Amino acid sequence: AAGVIQSPRHLIKEKRETATLKCYPIPRHDTVYWYQQGPGQDPQFLISFYEKMQSDKGSIPDRFSAQQFSDYHSELNMSSLELGDSALYFCASSSRDTFSYEQYFGPGTRLTVT
Amino acid sequence: QQPVQSPQAVILREGEDAVINCSSSKALYSVHWYRQKHGEAPVFLMILLKGGEQKGHEKISASFNEKKQQSSLYLTASQLSYSGTYFCGTEPPRDGPIYGGATNKLIFGTGTLLAVQP
Repeated sequence: AAGVIQSPRHLIKEKRETATLKCYPIPRHDTVYWYQQGPGQDPQFLISFYEKMQSDKGSIPDRFSAQQFSDYHSELNMSSLELGDSALYFCASSSRDTFSYEQYFGPGTRLTVT
Repeated sequence: QQPVQSPQAVILREGEDAVINCSSSKALYSVHWYRQKHGEAPVFLMILLKGGEQKGHEKISASFNEKKQQSSLYLTASQLSYSGTYFCGTEPPRDGPIYGGATNKLIFGTGTLLAVQP
């Protein structure tokens, strides 16, 4: 079965640079979520989109922005990167057709800021 | 606000049983359970909805006590592949005005590290 695709899988950036993470949800899934997971931490919700509109917002820094496109893929844009932004970034997707909204996670993008 | 899981860590021998608990201080609509291996994505195990039935398949099952805002994950006859960190993900009540009231976002618990040894 098709899964959530994230790219790139690994990314190394320097402080103050920008980064763009991409997420391709499971086919026919209409909702995308972004989570940030630091070393030894639980995933922290950043933001979610349903039908290309922001549906919920969590602890996302103002330096970050995200959007969902017409083909339902999503991009997380991160500017003025800081050392503390180094983490695993997961994208998850779900379908409102299921009502229970199980979220399926992608393999993640490991961002290292040096 | 973050749900608290217990125990923090547990070591089992193959074939032994384990219970992982998740407790929230806030009302919940649903509880999701995930297993995550180091450096990998969380893998969805099951979801329990408010007013729903206890769920499970084969050797992994779970319950949800809405009044106590608690959920428990039951692992029976554990296998080596069960090793990993287990997270509960809690969803607050769906009383928002947007898109039918679904809040969707998950607040993950503190995690339980499970190690199954031969």
